[in-house]
Amino acid sequence: NAGVTQTPKFQVLKTGQSMTLQCAQDMNHEYMSWYRQDPGMGLRLIHYSVGAGITDQGEVPNGYNVSRSTTEDFPLRLLSAAPSQTSVYFCASGPRRENTIYFGEGSWLTVV
Amino acid sequence: GENVEQHPSTLSVQEGDSAVIKCTYSDSASNYFPWYKQELGKGPQLIIDIRSNVGEKKDQRIAVTLNKTAKHFSLHITETQPEDSAVYFCAASINYKYIFGTGTRLKVLA
Repeated sequence: NAGVTQTPKFQVLKTGQSMTLQCAQDMNHEYMSWYRQDPGMGLRLIHYSVGAGITDQGEVPNGYNVSRSTTEDFPLRLLSAAPSQTSVYFCASGPRRENTIYFGEGSWLTVV
Repeated sequence: GENVEQHPSTLSVQEGDSAVIKCTYSDSASNYFPWYKQELGKGPQLIIDIRSNVGEKKDQRIAVTLNKTAKHFSLHITETQPEDSAVYFCAASINYKYIFGTGTRLKVLA
């Protein structure tokens, strides 16, 4: 049981490049989400999903896309990277009806 | 908009002393209040949580109290140890909508 697995751990991008941050969970959780963490601003929700085929926007969705084709996977796509997207990204998942979420270990992204 | 205020932003205590971190939330509909511990380079780890129908919950050296009327909740760590040093986040939530506090950096001095 690996929990929530994020890849890559570290990534450097050039402005304008696109990439996908991967997130997988093996706990059969219905709920999955992506947060970004910036100094002094806590954790902010980017996108979330309550089940396969269902996604919705969080607090800071601009510049990011998500899809949820399976229960296990919830990738986050950066369409055209900008320096403002330099951050630490956390994926989280949780079982339905419990309202509890568990975080992955994070992906450190630098956009130059 | 909805927010969660967390205080203090930094806290230093001597090993063996107690530490208290306080949070205030604005959305009265919030019904779930978790606390996370984040060590350097790691993801936030759920350490304790409380739901709105409970006033206090304890797990060994950690306890959380909730005052729904005042919209306050607090984390209490007793007999602190060096391994308690980390950043702690509170959150207020309803239906998976989480609002996080900005974190408290706790340093336990040996």
